[in-house]
Amino acid sequence: DTAVSQTPKYLVTQMGNDKSIKCEQNLGHDTMYWYKQDSKKFLKIMFSYNNKELIINETVPNRFSPKSPDKAHLNLHINSLELGDSAVYFCASQGLGDEQFFGPGTRLTVL
Amino acid sequence: QKEVEQNSGPLSVPEGAIASLNCTYSDRGSQSFFWYRQYSGKSPELIMFIYSNGDKEDGRFTAQLNKASQYVSLLIRDSQPSDSATYLCAKAGNKLVFGAGTILRVKS
Repeated sequence: DTAVSQTPKYLVTQMGNDKSIKCEQNLGHDTMYWYKQDSKKFLKIMFSYNNKELIINETVPNRFSPKSPDKAHLNLHINSLELGDSAVYFCASQGLGDEQFFGPGTRLTVL
Repeated sequence: QKEVEQNSGPLSVPEGAIASLNCTYSDRGSQSFFWYRQYSGKSPELIMFIYSNGDKEDGRFTAQLNKASQYVSLLIRDSQPSDSATYLCAKAGNKLVFGAGTILRVKS
C-alpha cells in the first residue's frame, strides 16, 4: 500500500485555469504538508496542516488554497494559474517524530 | 544568508570512492538535521537523521554534525553508480527547511 499518494501525477493546463491536486496518507499521521519544487530543484514548504487545522502558511499567493477535509487528506486548489506556477508539488506527512514521508509528486505544467 | 546552504555540484566521484557532501546552516540554535536522497523524477526519501554532535553511521552512510561550526555532512563509503542522485540537507523543527541540494554523480 502506498503511504502517501497524490493525484494526478501530471497536470498540463492553460494559464488562467483553476486546478486541484489531491493528497492522501494512510500512515495515521496528524500533520501534512505541501511543498513546491521549482526547476532548480529547490524544495520549499507552502502549507502545513495539523489534524485539519492550518498551522503554517508561508508567503504563498492567495490563489493557492489548501483544504483538509480530514486528517488523512490534504488537497491544494490553485486559481488563475500562471506560468510561474509550473513546478513539482509534493505532499508529505509527519507523525510524532520529525521524519516526513513524501508523496510521488505532481508535475504541473502551465502553458 | 539562506538558512541551509549546500553546494549544488555536481560532485563527481569514481565508483568505490568516498563521497563527501556538506551543508552549512545559519541558525546556531538548530538541533537536528535530515539527509534526504532524491532520484531524478522521484520524491525525496529519508536516508539519515542526526541530532547530536559527532558521527552517526548506518551502513555505507555516515552523517556528521558539528554544532560549533554549524555544518552537517554526509559521507558515502564505497560509492556506487546507484548512489547518483541529489542529496538534500534539511533542518528539522516545526517545519523542514531544505538546502538546494547537491547533485552526486558516481562514475563506473
